[in-house]
Amino acid sequence: GAGVSQTPSNKVTEKGKYVELRCDPISGHTALYWYRQSLGQGPEFLIYFQGTGAADDSGLPNDRFFAVRPEGSVSTLKIQRTERGDSAVYLCASSLNYQGATQYFGPGTRLTVL
Amino acid sequence: AQTVTQSQPEMSVQEAETVTLSCTYDTSESDYYLFWYKQPPSRQMILVIRQEAYKQQNATENRFSVNFQKAAKSFSLKISDSQLGDAAMYFCAYNNAGNMLTFGGGTRLMVKP
Repeated sequence: GAGVSQTPSNKVTEKGKYVELRCDPISGHTALYWYRQSLGQGPEFLIYFQGTGAADDSGLPNDRFFAVRPEGSVSTLKIQRTERGDSAVYLCASSLNYQGATQYFGPGTRLTVL
Repeated sequence: AQTVTQSQPEMSVQEAETVTLSCTYDTSESDYYLFWYKQPPSRQMILVIRQEAYKQQNATENRFSVNFQKAAKSFSLKISDSQLGDAAMYFCAYNNAGNMLTFGGGTRLMVKP
């Protein structure tokens, strides 16, 4: 079946602009995760959804970052007033809902803030 | 907070040989899960192997196996009969009841023909 998909693949924006990154999880996966991966580092957790609600948003760096999952499937990560430090690869993953379930990742969105 | 450490930024192996990638972690939990993911230049994280902490038996997946030492909090990955397609970044990751994955800094594996 289809894996996790993310759009766009690459996004270039100017400092101060607003961006939206989209994630389409594997069908039937109720858990959805966003991670941020800076160059040369491992991914860092941002937010975790269980169904439509954010079960854990402790990784969001500040209030410029926000994510939604209104129907419990597709999720959108929104970044306001982008800064050069937001440049990274944003990875989305989904899984079944049990402890230790394997997370399956999408190809990521590379965000570049000029 | 849990931390995951990969002490080898880069490793190199000859094709058909065996290589071991190291990973240590710090946790006060007794029930957790450990993973190795592979990330080729295409960026997509691919699951290599998964280990439940309550299982003493080391996980194996074809040419990939782990050496899980719970008391030492060590979780190394052994790749046997290395192939050119194994060249990638490898990340060790920890997961407990909080569901989120905590990743190490990664090891770049190069495979020489």
